[in-house]
Amino acid sequence: SQQGEEDPQALSIQEGENATMNCSYKTSINNLQWYRQNSGRGLVHLILIRSNEREKHSGRLRVTLDTSKKSSSLLITASRAADTASYFCATYSSASKIIFGSGTRLSIRP
Amino acid sequence: DVKVTQSSRYLVKRTGEKVFLECVQDMDHENMFWYRQDPGLGLRLIYFSYDVKMKEKGDIPEGYSVSREKKERFSLILESASTNQTSMYLCASSLMSGSGEKLFFGSGTQLSVL
Repeated sequence: SQQGEEDPQALSIQEGENATMNCSYKTSINNLQWYRQNSGRGLVHLILIRSNEREKHSGRLRVTLDTSKKSSSLLITASRAADTASYFCATYSSASKIIFGSGTRLSIRP
Repeated sequence: DVKVTQSSRYLVKRTGEKVFLECVQDMDHENMFWYRQDPGLGLRLIYFSYDVKMKEKGDIPEGYSVSREKKERFSLILESASTNQTSMYLCASSLMSGSGEKLFFGSGTQLSVL
C-alpha cells in the first residue's frame, strides 16, 4: 500500500531556479523523510522532519510538514545540474514501517 | 560512514531458479530491510528484520523468503524465480528498532529473470 504520493511525477526546471515537490500521505505519522536517488543507484537520505515540527532546513533544502493536511513539501533552492535525480518521500508510523511514495523525477536544464 | 553492500549489481537468472541476494552492513545496525523498486510504483517493502533470526513480512512477501543468521547480513531468497520478479532490489539498514530513523541503502541489484 502506498502511503506517500509525490506531486508532480516529473519536473524540469532551469539551472538556478527553485524546485518544489509535494508529498501527501494518508495516515498518522511519527516522521516524514525525503530521499534522493540518482539513476540506477540506491537512495540517499536527505532530511527527516518529525510530526511535531513544521519546518526544517538543511543547506539548500527546506522541508515543511502540515499534519492537518497530511502533506509535506521539499524545496531545493538555486538548483544545480547535480540535483538531477528522483526524489522520494517516506513516512514512518507506529506500525514501525517506513513506506515510500512513487517519487518525483527532477531534471535540471543547463 | 555506514556502508551497505549488495553482493551483485546485475544478475540474470532463469525462470524456476532459486536466487539469493545478499546484503551486508558494517555499522552494527539492528534493522535491515529489502525493497523492490519498479517504474511508477516506487519502493515496496518485501521483508524486514529487527534482530538476528527475526523477520517480518512487508507489503509484498509472496514468492520471497529471508534469512538473518548474523546481525550484519540479511539475505533475500527467491524460491523459484519468475519473470514478474524482474526488478531492482534494494537493501537498507537503520540503527534502532522502532525509532523510524533514516535508512542507509545499498546500490541495488538489478535482477532479470528470463
